[in-house]
Amino acid sequence: DIQMTQSPSTLSASVGDTVTITCRASQNIGTWLAWYQQKPHKAPNPLIYKASTLQNGVPSRISGSGSGTHFTLTISSLQPEDFATYYCHQYNSYPETFGQGTKVEIK
Amino acid sequence: QVQVVESGGSVVQPGRSLRLSCAASGFTFSSYGMHWVRQAPGKGLEWVAGISSNGRNKYYSDSVKGRFTISRDNSKNTVFLQLDSLRPEDTAVFYCVKRQAYSSSSSFDYWGQGTPVTVSS
Repeated sequence: DIQMTQSPSTLSASVGDTVTITCRASQNIGTWLAWYQQKPHKAPNPLIYKASTLQNGVPSRISGSGSGTHFTLTISSLQPEDFATYYCHQYNSYPETFGQGTKVEIK
Repeated sequence: QVQVVESGGSVVQPGRSLRLSCAASGFTFSSYGMHWVRQAPGKGLEWVAGISSNGRNKYYSDSVKGRFTISRDNSKNTVFLQLDSLRPEDTAVFYCVKRQAYSSSSSFDYWGQGTPVTVSS
């Protein structure tokens, strides 16, 4: 199985900051990686697919990059609505797997 | 607009069974793979099972293989997850999710609101 490791687990930041979340795959997954945002008691919200393509309606301050085994999610000019938990997801092969999540909290 | 709506979650005793349903609308259901993802209380997301658009190919996580069965009825735009031999560690919110593209190499673009399953005596 492909293990997805996110870092950090928790990130404290202020409105206006730029934050970066890292996701590492235990094997080469090409660019078959997605990112989701989840707020408490809500379903995950898709942000990015194929490592760097924004879903419709996702603001351009959010970006993704990477390929192979190393991926990043960057949020520039952090807004109040960005405080949430973020998950990466590999869909290169079964079983599909998620990272353990990164909580972005208010400093 | 695309909608996926889960139902069937409940409180059930260990060893018992449950059947979850997911009704889809707003897209050509028979063209997309459908999956289930779960989230235990306070934990992260775990992919559980998936089924191809025509229902011929089914995939399971090791933690549920042999106990859970995914199926679909394309005439009713519904996907099911049969949960047998339930264990306390199966307690979670179960999300029904839609593949973004026709290919199996695509992410999930629509998630239901989730249906809670609690396994407890």
